[in-house]
Amino acid sequence: DSGVTQTPKHLITATGQRVTLRCSPRSGDLSVYWYQQSLDQGLQFLIHYYNGEERAKGNILERFSAQQFPDLHSELNLSSLELGDSALYFCASSVGRGTEAFFGQGTRLTVV
Amino acid sequence: GIQVEQSPPDLILQEGANSTLRCNFSDSVNNLQWFHQNPWGQLINLFYIPSGTKQNGRLSATTVATERYSLLYISSSQTTDSGVYFCAVVGSTGTASKLTFGTGTRLQVTL
Repeated sequence: DSGVTQTPKHLITATGQRVTLRCSPRSGDLSVYWYQQSLDQGLQFLIHYYNGEERAKGNILERFSAQQFPDLHSELNLSSLELGDSALYFCASSVGRGTEAFFGQGTRLTVV
Repeated sequence: GIQVEQSPPDLILQEGANSTLRCNFSDSVNNLQWFHQNPWGQLINLFYIPSGTKQNGRLSATTVATERYSLLYISSSQTTDSGVYFCAVVGSTGTASKLTFGTGTRLQVTL
């Protein structure tokens, strides 16, 4: 158990819908990262939050947004879903820059 | 940005065999981690090793930061070692702290 909790584990939804993925970081970790793993793109960085503030954006679509709350949990919102958004979405947390990152179990999103 | 290359892309071993997986990176790093993604999709931390050598049971890893590569050794492989092994790094230039992943080595251990 990495200490990073992601919910839900599985999600099946229709095209055009909106979903919210949730992540609770390890106790004491201020950084939360979101990654997407699809078959053709590998593990891609989406966004990084540190202590409630957005620090970096990767290849995140405009239809996607995220936030980190005062209790440090984070949510990734995916809207106007397309078939191509089907992927495994991971959250990771770390204490700070350059320190070891730990990953949650992931949320497997299937868009039908 | 920093580039990460892993080799070989695929590896098939008989149970009990040893193997070496390689990770090359294009710039200096603050962080290098090895992960095992099991058949259920979980990413399991193996090593946090920006430099030096570490061992954990049948697994060991070495990172030579000055030459920009890392090696993961698996000895006496077991079927439970099957899955994909990823190397991921955080570049030391700039302020970014995200991990950049290689494309992985897919390992299959057969009886």
